[in-house]
Amino acid sequence: DGGITQSPKYLFRKEGQNVTLSCEQNLNHDAMYWYRQDPGQGLRLIYYSQIVNDFQKGDIAEGYSVSREKKESFPLTVTSAQKNPTAFYLCASSTGTGSEKLFFGSGTQLSVL
Amino acid sequence: DQQVKQNSPSLSVQEGRISILNCDYTNSMFDYFLWYKKYPAEGPTFLISISSIKDKNEDGRFTVFLNKSAKHLSLHIVPSQPGDSAVYFCAASMDSNYQLIWGAGTKLIIKP
Repeated sequence: DGGITQSPKYLFRKEGQNVTLSCEQNLNHDAMYWYRQDPGQGLRLIYYSQIVNDFQKGDIAEGYSVSREKKESFPLTVTSAQKNPTAFYLCASSTGTGSEKLFFGSGTQLSVL
Repeated sequence: DQQVKQNSPSLSVQEGRISILNCDYTNSMFDYFLWYKKYPAEGPTFLISISSIKDKNEDGRFTVFLNKSAKHLSLHIVPSQPGDSAVYFCAASMDSNYQLIWGAGTKLIIKP
C-alpha cells in the first residue's frame, strides 16, 4: 500500500528540548511538505522540499528545521526556539510537477509538558 | 490577512438534503482551487478541484462552483450522507506556485 507514514502519533516536548517528527512516503513523490494546524485555523506551511537535498521555508519556518537526504524521508525538528509548539503537524507529498493535489499523512499531535 | 476565508465554522444538515459549503478569496491571482475533507486525528484527503477557466466541476455527489467575479466558490454535496460529517477545507493556489493557501475549515455535521 502506497502512502505517507508519520510517527509518532502523539509527542510530548519538555521545555528546552528539540523533538523530531518523522515522515516517510513510498509514493515516489518528488515534493514533500510540512504543515501546522492550530484549532480554528487553516493549515500553515512550515517547510517544503521539491527535490532531495533542497528545501525552502514556508510561512512559519522560525523555530523549525528539516532535512531531505532521501526522497522518501522529510523529518521535521521542532527546536527549543519554537515557543509555541503545541499543534497538529501534518506531512504531505505531491508529484511535484505543478500538481497541487497533496497526499497527507495522519498527523502528529505535539504537546508541551 | 486571510486570503482564503471560510466564514462558517460549522454547518448542520439533515441526511439526504443538500450541503453547501462556501469559500471566499481575496487574491485575484489564484487560479486553482481545491477542497479537502478531514476526519478527526487524520490528514486531509483530496476531494475535488476546479481551475479558474471553469465555473463548475462535478464528481459524483460533489460539485464545486466557481464565481470569479465574486471571488467565491462553493462545494455542493447531494445527497448528504452520515459519512460526509467531517471538516472541509478550501485551498487556493497560483500557477506554478507550490504553496497552497488554506481556509480555516467548516465542520459539516450530517444529522440522521
